[in-house]
Amino acid sequence: DGGITQSPKYLFRKEGQNVTLSCEQNLNHDAMYWYRQDPGQGLRLIYYSQIVNDFQKGDIAEGYSVSREKKESFPLTVTSAQKNPTAFYLCASTPGRLRARNTEAFFGQGTRLTVV
Amino acid sequence: AQSVAQPEDQVNVAEGNPLTVKCTYSVSGNPYLFWYVQYPNRGLQFLLKYITGDNLVKGSYGFEAEFNKSQTSFHLKKPSALVSDSALYFCAYGGAAGNKLTFGGGTRVLVKP
Repeated sequence: DGGITQSPKYLFRKEGQNVTLSCEQNLNHDAMYWYRQDPGQGLRLIYYSQIVNDFQKGDIAEGYSVSREKKESFPLTVTSAQKNPTAFYLCASTPGRLRARNTEAFFGQGTRLTVV
Repeated sequence: AQSVAQPEDQVNVAEGNPLTVKCTYSVSGNPYLFWYVQYPNRGLQFLLKYITGDNLVKGSYGFEAEFNKSQTSFHLKKPSALVSDSALYFCAYGGAAGNKLTFGGGTRVLVKP
């Protein structure tokens, strides 16, 4: 089945630790995204990548880092510089052109990160 | 700044009654607009999308949305709500540059039996 896989589903981090969230897609999509969702709030864009080896900051990139070494993978590292990392993290991917009639963004099932 | 807004944090409706979830946009040019639904602790599921053409867009699970240029709105509608429609609904627009999606704040829908 084609889709986006995020792992782990739940992640616990100690204060001061870096953690990496995995996102893999087998949809052959060019673009991938990371969003953060807090209770009662919408989705905020952290980073996105339109092609391999290139990525751009979103609205809330501070304290996060990404890499895009392969088309199918877009891992997100939450660094110790992120002061309030407890949230639900969603990865998404899109094909080349969202303007095309039959294309949409596909989302993973999310990773819930908790700082302990 | 370009954006979409969902003016209602929550909508309560009785099962069998019509459901409307509101979205307004402030986007230059010809916007392309989306509706997504999220069930608890899950990712987002695509419902429908507007690009150009017919102002009434039909989507998944019996949902439809009406694009109204004069009112800059893209409200989601369902003629007869089900308890299983209870979820968090997001309106989004696609940026003119690239494929970046920007989301509204979300509206929680509660359908009571």
